[in-house]
Amino acid sequence: AQTVTQSQPEMSVQEAETVTLSCTYDTSESDYYLFWYKQPPSRQMILVIRQEAYKQQNATENRFSVNFQKAAKSFSLKISDSQLGDAAMYFCAYKKQGGSEKLVFGKGTKLTVNP
Amino acid sequence: NAGVMQNPRHLVRRRGQEARLRCSPMKGHSHVYWYRQLPEEGLKFMVYLQKENIIDESGMPKERFSAEFPKEGPSILRIQQVVRGDSAAYFCASSSLGAGPRSYEQYFGPGTRLTVT
Repeated sequence: AQTVTQSQPEMSVQEAETVTLSCTYDTSESDYYLFWYKQPPSRQMILVIRQEAYKQQNATENRFSVNFQKAAKSFSLKISDSQLGDAAMYFCAYKKQGGSEKLVFGKGTKLTVNP
Repeated sequence: NAGVMQNPRHLVRRRGQEARLRCSPMKGHSHVYWYRQLPEEGLKFMVYLQKENIIDESGMPKERFSAEFPKEGPSILRIQQVVRGDSAAYFCASSSLGAGPRSYEQYFGPGTRLTVT
């Protein structure tokens, strides 16, 4: 079974600084998708960024970028120029391509942004 | 284009009562997923449905929980004879799984927070 591990229960960053959240996963599949979701205090799950495993280029969405290391099964999220609104729980998620479409989530990292 | 809608947002039930959670997928989406989030935990998959079909219920507890997605109307997650351990946030997500790019992505509703007293 696929598993997703987020080894940092909590992280903090100064406003305008850069922070990296870690995620590793375990799978025997070669084709899959990886995601980072943000969950602010409102509890709404917001998709931040996605990565298709067949793409070697790391995904980027404005201030958010990933470092996808397929061989190492690592998928870290970098937030540049951190803003107070970035404070939230961040969840890494995996989804196999095809078959059952369920997402497998890590336990999350709570990010605090200090002014 | 309205997003995924869930109601109620908050639901309080006494032990032994039934809880019904509703989910209306995004327009054009015919695939619905239910996830449960216990306090201080990530989301855990429960069930995946298409219209009138349960595709994968591998995450559903064997007893008291059921889900449906009828031809007309919202998807419903039903919990019978609730217990304190059912207290959690229940999220619904939908996707189109069509031919378009990123059709595999799941869009989440705001969740229903169930409290069992």
